[in-house]
Amino acid sequence: SQKIEQNSEALNIQEGKTATLTCNYTNYSPAYLQWYRQDPGRGPVFLLLIRENEKEKRKERLKVTFDTTLKQSLFHITASQPADSATYLCALEYGDYKLSFGAGTTVTVRA
Amino acid sequence: DVKVTQSSRYLVKRTGEKVFLECVQDMDHENMFWYRQDPGLGLRLIYFSYDVKMKEKGDIPEGYSVSREKKERFSLILESASTNQTSMYLCASRPITGTEGYTFGSGTRLTVV
Repeated sequence: SQKIEQNSEALNIQEGKTATLTCNYTNYSPAYLQWYRQDPGRGPVFLLLIRENEKEKRKERLKVTFDTTLKQSLFHITASQPADSATYLCALEYGDYKLSFGAGTTVTVRA
Repeated sequence: DVKVTQSSRYLVKRTGEKVFLECVQDMDHENMFWYRQDPGLGLRLIYFSYDVKMKEKGDIPEGYSVSREKKERFSLILESASTNQTSMYLCASRPITGTEGYTFGSGTRLTVV
């Protein structure tokens, strides 16, 4: 069966450090992989999309890698700030524009 | 600023009631989606629509139906609400090009008592 696993439910880091989140998948052949941020009680907000033929993508302090051989994506938040505290969701595209989501990793950045 | 608007943030309904959740987007997107989100289960796709009057079942359509009479509006209907439909419901839209992420609404927290 298809499965998306994010490495851990929670990640606590010190301000200024780099947070690294992992997304592993099985039985998918996604053309795209996406990352979203979700704050409590709110809808997810789109952050980054990376295509299967792209190895890495950056946006400000965010970096995403996509390894289709390992079936894994890494999501990095560099120079983390308390405002980065949120749940981060990995999502894979399948079928026609449908997304399947991982359960998310909650990041807490300590000042 | 582009938006997906869900009509209610919080809703409390009784078991057996017919419930309508409304979603409107102002981005002229072709694709619209309804998800529910539960702790530990993540987001699960209920229904989606590629265009007006078109709909497709997602992974958990049982107990739900949808309506899309206009491009900007996608409604989720709980035919006879049950307590196991207590959840956060999220609407999203996306253009047909498929090279952008989803835009989500703020969600509707539905409690069925």
